[in-house]
This record gives sequence, structure tokens and C-alpha cells, in this order.
Amino acid sequence: GQNIDQPTEMTATEGAIVQINCTYQTSGFNGLFWYQQHAGEAPTFLSYNVLDGLEEKGRFSSFLSRSKGYSYLLLKELQMKDSASYLCAVTDSNYQLIWGAGTKLIIKP
Amino acid sequence: GAVVSQHPSWVICKSGTSVKIECRSLDFQATTMFWYRQFPKQSLMLMATSNEGSKATYEQGVEKDKFLINHASLTLSTLTVTSAHPEDSSFYICSARLDRAYNEQFFGPGTRLTVL
Repeated sequence: GQNIDQPTEMTATEGAIVQINCTYQTSGFNGLFWYQQHAGEAPTFLSYNVLDGLEEKGRFSSFLSRSKGYSYLLLKELQMKDSASYLCAVTDSNYQLIWGAGTKLIIKP
Repeated sequence: GAVVSQHPSWVICKSGTSVKIECRSLDFQATTMFWYRQFPKQSLMLMATSNEGSKATYEQGVEKDKFLINHASLTLSTLTVTSAHPEDSSFYICSARLDRAYNEQFFGPGTRLTVL
């Protein structure tokens, strides 16, 4: 079966750095997405990785290792507004998007 | 670009009635749209994949006769919850895909359905 694992919940302090990990086992791989979802709202796109390495976009960076089936989302200089759920999603060989359950990130002052 | 709208944003209805939710891609043509359901504090659950001009593909456990999906044009898909019951109360979100190979999904703002 296809599976995406990410921690259920994480807590971090305002101004700090947090890394949210995602491991996946899918039938094929055609890219990995990270989405942010605030409570009661729809997901919004954060990043996309299809090749190994680090993609940096402002305070957010995403890393991919295809050989390890592993990705992480790195959030720097955390702000209270970063409190949200972060969803990892992988495109499989049939171009289906397989979703992780999401990681709820709680930011404390 | 790549904006998806959804209407209504919230709806309250009586048990036994039917509710229609519209999903529109405003500035692009979407051959494929997706319908998700999300219960409080739970993850997104894909209900069905909607392809323009053809029947929707439903995920296992989703009743196709209860959740009617029509994708009549490249910019509009509708989800009708027929004979809604309180257990159908949920957050329904649609998304549209611009490019199959890239596969990024652009989400609508969601519809909060409450069935009394």
C-alpha cells in the first residue's frame, strides 16, 4: 500500500526554527508537495520538490531525498501566524496525489 | 493566477434535503477537479476525482449515489449531497489541477455544511 508518515503534532517557540519530517512509500514518485492549512481554511501551496536537494523560499525551505523516501519542511524565524497544519503530499506513478495526515504546528510566545 | 472559487462558503440545511456545491476555476481550464471532505481535526479525505465530460471516479467507501458529481465544463464541477443527514456535516473542499505532470492542486476556499 501507499503510505505517508509525518508527526501528528509539534510545538515550537516564536522566533525559533522547526523541521517537519515526512517519509513516504508510494508506487512511483513524481514530485512532493508541502501545503499549509489554517484551521477552517483550505490548504495553500508552500513548496514542490521533484529532484533531490533543498528548495529555499523565504523563511520556508523544503528538502527531498528520493533514495530515502524522505522530505522535510524547515520553517525559520517562526511567527505566531505559522501556527497551522502542514500537509505532505506525493504524486505517485499514476499522477495521483497521496496525502499525509498533516502535522499540527503549535507556536508558543 | 490559478484561482478556484467555491460556492456557497457555508450552508445549513435540514436533514433529508439536497445541497449543491459549485467549484469553479476562474482563470484557467481544469480538465480534472477533486472533491475532498474534512472532519474536524482530521486530515483531508479524497472523495472523488472529477474529469470533464466523463463520470467521476469515487474513492472506496464513498457512495456515488449520495454524492453526485457533475463536471460539465472545463471550469465548473458540482457536488450534490443528496438526502443529507447530520453525519454528512463536514468541510467540503474542491481543488483543480492545471497540469497532470506537475500535479499541483489549487484549492477552493471550502464549504462548511451543517445538517440539522
